[in-house]
Amino acid sequence: TQLLEQSPQFLSIQEGENLTVYCNSSSVFSSLQWYRQEPGEGPVLLVTVVTGGEVKKLKRLTFQFGDARKDSSLHITAAQPGDTGLYLCAGDVSYKLSFGAGTTVTVRA
Amino acid sequence: EAQVTQNPRYLITVTGKKLTVTCSQNMNHEYMSWYRQDPGLGLRQIYYSMNVEVTDKGDVPEGYKVSRKEKRNFPLILESPSPNQTSLYFCASSLSSPGGKYEQYFGPGTRLTVT
Repeated sequence: TQLLEQSPQFLSIQEGENLTVYCNSSSVFSSLQWYRQEPGEGPVLLVTVVTGGEVKKLKRLTFQFGDARKDSSLHITAAQPGDTGLYLCAGDVSYKLSFGAGTTVTVRA
Repeated sequence: EAQVTQNPRYLITVTGKKLTVTCSQNMNHEYMSWYRQDPGLGLRQIYYSMNVEVTDKGDVPEGYKVSRKEKRNFPLILESPSPNQTSLYFCASSLSSPGGKYEQYFGPGTRLTVT
């Protein structure tokens, strides 16, 4: 059983549409990170959220940390084909990062 | 260029034949880690190291060994590989324990197949 549950597992949308990926847990995290991984490469950090209720924006990507620091969401506005990839959330637990299973996002041109 | 390197990138081997996957980082990071990535399971930590000569088990350590004799290197050793160790492996490093203000940098991955 994974500490972090991501949904949906797969998401396929048309260019220009919006999408939201969810990351949920029953555990409290002192911080939560979002990574994007492209085929044949290692994950790359997008953002870290630390404070409950925190919202961070990275161009068309908006990240939110839940008030209780147990969940997070990633929202992409007007998705582009370059947003295609595997999105992973990870929470820090005792000197380690625990990862969700990931959400595969495909943006069709 | 700041990076984490892994070798080999691809490896096909047979059951029981010992192998080592090397990992090196040039960022003077104290924390290093090995993960395996399997479909539907995400990244699972195998071992991590907080500093030289300090290693500890992650979530799935069975069948693996590591060592940290130098700060920059963190090899992953499979003494007797089995088919259930077929996976995509990633090495990662960070200045300190990942999370919070510490970004974790990943290597390009090693795809291992054990027949």
